[in-house]
Amino acid sequence: DSGVTQTPKHLITATGQRVTLRCSPRSGDLSVYWYQQSLDQGLQFLIQYYNGEERAKGNILERFSAQQFPDLHSELNLSSLELGDSALYFCASSVVSGNGYTFGSGTRLTVV
Amino acid sequence: AQSVAQPEDQVNVAEGNPLTVKCTYSVSGNPYLFWYVQYPNRGLQFLLKYITGDNLVKGSYGFEAEFNKSQTSFHLKKPSALVSDSALYFCAVRDANNNDMRFGAGTRLTVKP
Repeated sequence: DSGVTQTPKHLITATGQRVTLRCSPRSGDLSVYWYQQSLDQGLQFLIQYYNGEERAKGNILERFSAQQFPDLHSELNLSSLELGDSALYFCASSVVSGNGYTFGSGTRLTVV
Repeated sequence: AQSVAQPEDQVNVAEGNPLTVKCTYSVSGNPYLFWYVQYPNRGLQFLLKYITGDNLVKGSYGFEAEFNKSQTSFHLKKPSALVSDSALYFCAVRDANNNDMRFGAGTRLTVKP
């Protein structure tokens, strides 16, 4: 157990729907990062939050949004889902810059 | 923005032989470099990092990596491969000013008995 908890582990939904992925960072970590891993795109950085505020943005679609709550857990919202959104979504956390990240085990999203 | 290249999609080695997984990077400032390993249906696990200091970094499971500033490389190495080392390996970089980490496309290592 890495200490980063992601729920749900698996999600199957239809095109056009909206889903929410949840991440609880490792205790004491203030930063949360979201990544998308697909077969053809590799590991893509989506967005980072630090202590409740957005810190960095990567290749995140406008249909996707995220937030970090006062208890530091984070949610990634994916809407108007398309088949191409099927992927593994990872959350990672870290405490200070310069350190590596601790990854959760991911949420596998399948859009049918 | 920082970026990482892993030139090999696949590396195959025999058990007991040395292995190398290649990584080159591009970053504007001083690099923070990392290697992660991913086993099937698992998240990424941290192996080792280079921040500063000795160019040869030792990490988990007997892995090490050599930082080469002139070649902008950070190759992962292990003197004697195990079948259990078979997994997907990711190199990553962040610079001192950016918090987000950029990953390479990954290299699938297969160690055959």
